[in-house]
Order: sequence, then C-alpha cells, then structure tokens
Amino acid sequence: EAQVTQNPRYLITVTGKKLTVTCSQNMNHEYMSWYRQDPGLGLRQIYYSMNVEVTDKGDVPEGYKVSRKEKRNFPLILESPSPNQTSLYFCASSLRAGGDIMGYTFGSGTRLTVV
Amino acid sequence: KNEVEQSPQNLTAQEGEFITINCSYSVGISALHWLQQHPGGGIVSLFMLSSGKKKHGRLIATINIQEKHSSLHITASHPRDSAVYICAVRRGAVSDMRFGAGTRLTVKP
Repeated sequence: EAQVTQNPRYLITVTGKKLTVTCSQNMNHEYMSWYRQDPGLGLRQIYYSMNVEVTDKGDVPEGYKVSRKEKRNFPLILESPSPNQTSLYFCASSLRAGGDIMGYTFGSGTRLTVV
Repeated sequence: KNEVEQSPQNLTAQEGEFITINCSYSVGISALHWLQQHPGGGIVSLFMLSSGKKKHGRLIATINIQEKHSSLHITASHPRDSAVYICAVRRGAVSDMRFGAGTRLTVKP
C-alpha cells in the first residue's frame, strides 16, 4: 500500500532531550516536507526537501533539523526540544515539488508533548 | 495579515445542501491545494489546481488566478463530509507552502 509512515504517533518528552521523528514513504517521491499544526495557527511548514541531499527551510525552521540521505526517508530532529515545540506534526510527500495529480500524501501525524 | 485567507471559519449545513468554501491569497503562486482533515486528524489531499476547474465526485474546485481566489464546492452534502477543509498555496518559484486557517464544516443529518 502506498503510504507515508510516521513514527511515533504519540511522544511525551522532557525539555532538552534530543528526539527524532521518522518519516518514510514507499512511493519513490522526490518531494518530502514537514509541517506542524497548532490551534489558532493552522499548518505551518518546517522544512522541505526537493530530492536527496537537497533541503530548504520553510516558514518555521527554528529549533529543527532534517536530513535526506535516502529518497524514502526524511527524519525530523529536535536536538533540544522546548515546550513551545509541543504540537501535532505531519510529514508529507509528492512525486514532484509542486504536487502531482494526486496532490500530497500525508502521514498520520505525530503528537509531541514537551514538558 | 495572512497570505492565505479562508472563509467562512465555521459552517454548519443540513444534509443535501450545496456548500461553498472560499480561499483568497495575496502572493504569487504556482499551485493551490485543497486538503481535508478528518475529525481523527488525518489529512487527505483533495485537489491541486493551477488554473480552471477540477471535479471529483461531489467535489468541485475552481481557481481564478487574476483575482487570486479559489472556491471549493460540495454538492449534495452528507454528514461524512464533516471535516476541516484547508486551502494551501505553493509560492511562486520556491516550493514552500502557506496554509489557510481552515474551514470547519459540520453537515447535520
């Protein structure tokens, strides 16, 4: 089944403890992206990647890192999480940067709480 | 002011009604997307538009590039259409995405 897999679905962590949220797609998509969703602020883009080894900042990149060493994986790294990074995170992919005829495929989301 | 504005914020309809959700944007775009977020949180991509009109089942999306405006229509609405509908634009030559705040639709039986 074509899908974007995010892990974990839920995570509670403490301030300053490094964590990684994984994202993997099995559709050979070139474009992958991370978003966070907060009440009243909606979805905002964190980082995106046009292809392997090509990443760019989105709207709210501060406090996050990404890497794209393989086409299928695009992990989101929080090196020193803070409570203001408590949010619902989504990974998405598409065949090309603009989205293809199918648009974007989203992961199921990761609900992160930083205490 | 947000670069992407949606209206209305909330919409309640009776089953069978025709629904329109509007999206206006203030930046140059290369594509506009309509997304549906289910009550459980999952997000599904409905349409990608760069011009004209697209139809999928009871859903129709239109875009007017000159007026920087898009509409999402739902014909013969059904309670299972209840969700948050989100407009998103890909800006010009770059590939970053900007999102509207979403329209929460509730369709009552």
